[in-house]
Amino acid sequence: EVQLVESGGALVQPGGSLRLSCAASGFLFSDYTMNWVRQAPGKGLEWLSYISRSSSSIYYADSVKGRLTISRDNAKNSLYLQMNSLRDEDTAIYYCARESSGYDFDFWGQGTLVTVSS
Amino acid sequence: QSVLTQPPSESGTAGQKVTISCSGSSSNIGSNTVAWYQQLPGTAPKLLIYSNHQRPSGVPERFSGSKSGTSGSLAISGLLSDDEADYYCAAWDDSLNGYVFGTGTKVTVL
Repeated sequence: EVQLVESGGALVQPGGSLRLSCAASGFLFSDYTMNWVRQAPGKGLEWLSYISRSSSSIYYADSVKGRLTISRDNAKNSLYLQMNSLRDEDTAIYYCARESSGYDFDFWGQGTLVTVSS
Repeated sequence: QSVLTQPPSESGTAGQKVTISCSGSSSNIGSNTVAWYQQLPGTAPKLLIYSNHQRPSGVPERFSGSKSGTSGSLAISGLLSDDEADYYCAAWDDSLNGYVFGTGTKVTVL
């Protein structure tokens, strides 16, 4: 069974940093491109970042470029999101999502909540 | 900000058909396939339609997708109370080099 389990969400002050993790199981992690998507309270979905199977291609949404860094460790079946210079508007549930071969996200984690507040 | 535009809400009675539109541009829907996601209250999104009209295993035939030019649409026939959820379209955008989601549509079963 495919499983994606995010962790690392917390309450953090503005300007702070946080590292999110996504543990994958039930599939060959190194065979799949992965993404991070977030959802602010009561708002819609926002794509954040993409990382290819070997980490050779990485993309970010303009809204977070320069503050977020995506990475992966295929040996550990894990995806990461380093978040720096956090702002109030970064408060959201953060989801990791597996990308199928056809430009869609076929499996999602349950999400981890990041709250940025003083 | 969302690049794909959806109506904020749609509604119908049980058994009726509801159609949700998703309007994009030449750099996203016009060049790439559309996916649709269903998000039930308090849960993570779930893939409903991929490659414009394909259904993943386990998704009922009541859900169907289509694409024409720079727009996509999701139809839900035989509406059930369990279909009350938020629905999002998405596509890769060649200009932004990233995915874009729709603004989301809340479906209510009257």
